[in-house]
Amino acid sequence: DIVLTQSPVLAVSLGQRATISCRASQSVSISSINLMHWYQQKPGQQPKLLIYRASNLASGIPARFSGSGSGTDFTLTIDPVQADDIAAYYCQQSRESPFTFGSGTKLEIK
Amino acid sequence: EVQILETGGGLVKPGGSLRLSCATSGFNFNDYFMNWVRQAPGKGLEWVAQIRNKNYNYATYYAESLEGRVTISRDDSKSSVYLQVSSLRAEDTAIYYCTRGRELGYFDYWGQGVMVTVSS
Repeated sequence: DIVLTQSPVLAVSLGQRATISCRASQSVSISSINLMHWYQQKPGQQPKLLIYRASNLASGIPARFSGSGSGTDFTLTIDPVQADDIAAYYCQQSRESPFTFGSGTKLEIK
Repeated sequence: EVQILETGGGLVKPGGSLRLSCATSGFNFNDYFMNWVRQAPGKGLEWVAQIRNKNYNYATYYAESLEGRVTISRDDSKSSVYLQVSSLRAEDTAIYYCTRGRELGYFDYWGQGVMVTVSS
């Protein structure tokens, strides 16, 4: 199985940049297609798709969110961080079944 | 508007079984893959199963941790997908989410989830 590793917690100040990383145990890219996706989950809610294929913003998601990376290393950036961004963020790979998620990064405000 | 509604959760005894249902509307169900993803209390997300559409011969895929105990199915005429889980264990206690899946493997719409509790 492809294991995705995320740091458990990230603390940032409001208005600053948050950089959340996800490292895969093997490449999740096929040719130029990066099969890594990002989700946001607020307490008590279902997850919401933020970024697909590493860098594509999902419908209705603010441009403060962006994604980058390829191969095994991927990053979700939130700039600037707002109070409404307090949530858990999960990466997910679709390179191969089982379609694994990272363990999640909780974004906290300093 | 895309709508996804899961039903069928509840309290089940260890060793028991249940069938979760997921009714959808607001999109052409036939065109999409469908998935189940679960989340144990206070834990992260775990993909459970996927069923592809007719173009992919309704192929199914399962998480290894559940293989042999789960079956995913769909009824395109009802725009619905189902998850049958048997030999339930305490560690199957979780919120089960139904998600719409895209061919490149991401989940673009999620239901509110249904709680399954396995306890005697």
